[in-house]
Amino acid sequence: DIQVTQSPSSLSASVGDRVTITCRASQTITSSLNWFQQKPGKAPKLLIYAASTLQSGVPSRFSGSGSGTDFTLTISSLQPEDFATYYCQQSYSAPRTFGQGTKVDMK
Amino acid sequence: QVRLEQWGAGLLQPSETLSLTCQVYGRSFTGFFWSWIRQPPGKGLEWIGEINYSGSTNYNPSLKSRVSMSVDTSNNQFSLTLNSVTAADTGVYFCARTFYYHYYMDVWGNGTTVTVSS
Repeated sequence: DIQVTQSPSSLSASVGDRVTITCRASQTITSSLNWFQQKPGKAPKLLIYAASTLQSGVPSRFSGSGSGTDFTLTISSLQPEDFATYYCQQSYSAPRTFGQGTKVDMK
Repeated sequence: QVRLEQWGAGLLQPSETLSLTCQVYGRSFTGFFWSWIRQPPGKGLEWIGEINYSGSTNYNPSLKSRVSMSVDTSNNQFSLTLNSVTAADTGVYFCARTFYYHYYMDVWGNGTTVTVSS
């Protein structure tokens, strides 16, 4: 199985901050890395797929980069509605494992 | 506009069988994989497996001996069965549409809470 290590596990930030979350895969997954946002009591929401493609309807302040084993999700200017938990997921091979999650809360 | 509606028993006793169904509304049922994901209380997401319209499956090896998925293309439904449940299977179960391209999940059901308790 491909392991995905996400960091940090949590971070505190203020509105307007630039936020960066990283994921590292245990082996190369080319660009098969997706990012999700989840709010309490809700289903995850797809933000980025194939490492850097913004899902339709997602604000452009979200961006993804990386390939191979190292990937990054960046929120350029954190908005109040962005406080949530973020997950990466490798979809290169089954089982399509998730990272442990990063909780973004208010500083 | 695709929408997924899911249902199934929410309270099970240990050793019973979990059974959930996901109804797909809108657009095509074929041409996609259909996935199940779960989330224990207060924890992260776990991929359970996926099935396509022809019944081809991929399962998480950690659950493979207990899990089964099926599709009903005539009714645009797909289902999850998990045998011999224990308290460790308690959590919220989600269904999701999965694209063949990079296998990303773009549309999710609202989730079904399953509690395993005697």
